[in-house]
Amino acid sequence: QKEVEQNSGPLSVPEGAIASLNCTYSDRVSQSFFWYRQYSGKSPELIMSIYSNGDKEDGRFTAQLNKASQYVSLLIRDSQPSDSATYLCAAPGISGATNKLIFGTGTLLAVQP
Amino acid sequence: DAGITQSPRYKITETGRQVTLMCHQTWSHSYMFWYRQDLGHGLRLIYYSAAADITDKGEVSDGYVVSRSKTENFPLTLESATRSQTSVYFCASSDGGLAGTDTQYFGPGTRLTVL
Repeated sequence: QKEVEQNSGPLSVPEGAIASLNCTYSDRVSQSFFWYRQYSGKSPELIMSIYSNGDKEDGRFTAQLNKASQYVSLLIRDSQPSDSATYLCAAPGISGATNKLIFGTGTLLAVQP
Repeated sequence: DAGITQSPRYKITETGRQVTLMCHQTWSHSYMFWYRQDLGHGLRLIYYSAAADITDKGEVSDGYVVSRSKTENFPLTLESATRSQTSVYFCASSDGGLAGTDTQYFGPGTRLTVL
């Protein structure tokens, strides 16, 4: 059974700080990873996807992938209270089948004003 | 309205009753999915569909039935509801990566309570 693991948190950071969210996965063959954000009572929305080793930046968000260590992270720079949400990491449930995802249980991020 | 919608948004039912949750998308996405979300378990895939009349089981499919006669609709039926099926149910759709992305777009969710 492929697994995606996250620390449930809550991760509390002060406004303006860097928030670092981490995710490990069990399948060495996984080629793509996704970060979804979910506000309380709302549905998940994709914020980042990453397919190759290294960093991918999009505004204040940076996804980092290390396939050798089976580790993917999400950095949020200049954290804002509006970033407070649960962040879900997802990986393909079947190698190469990025449309069948396994989600981690999510990390709750709280940004303190 | 464009996008992906679910109905009802809230449902209370009793053990043993049949319940159908509806999902409708207007993007003509080929892929559609049903997930349930429970505390401590995150999102778990119930069923997915790659196209009309093509469906497959996910991680937690027991007790659920789906159909997809039209591309835009993907109803989920609980044949005989149990308390353990109390959850928030999300429908999602994806174009399957045809546009260069595998983004899944989620509906607003249905909160189901089985008494």
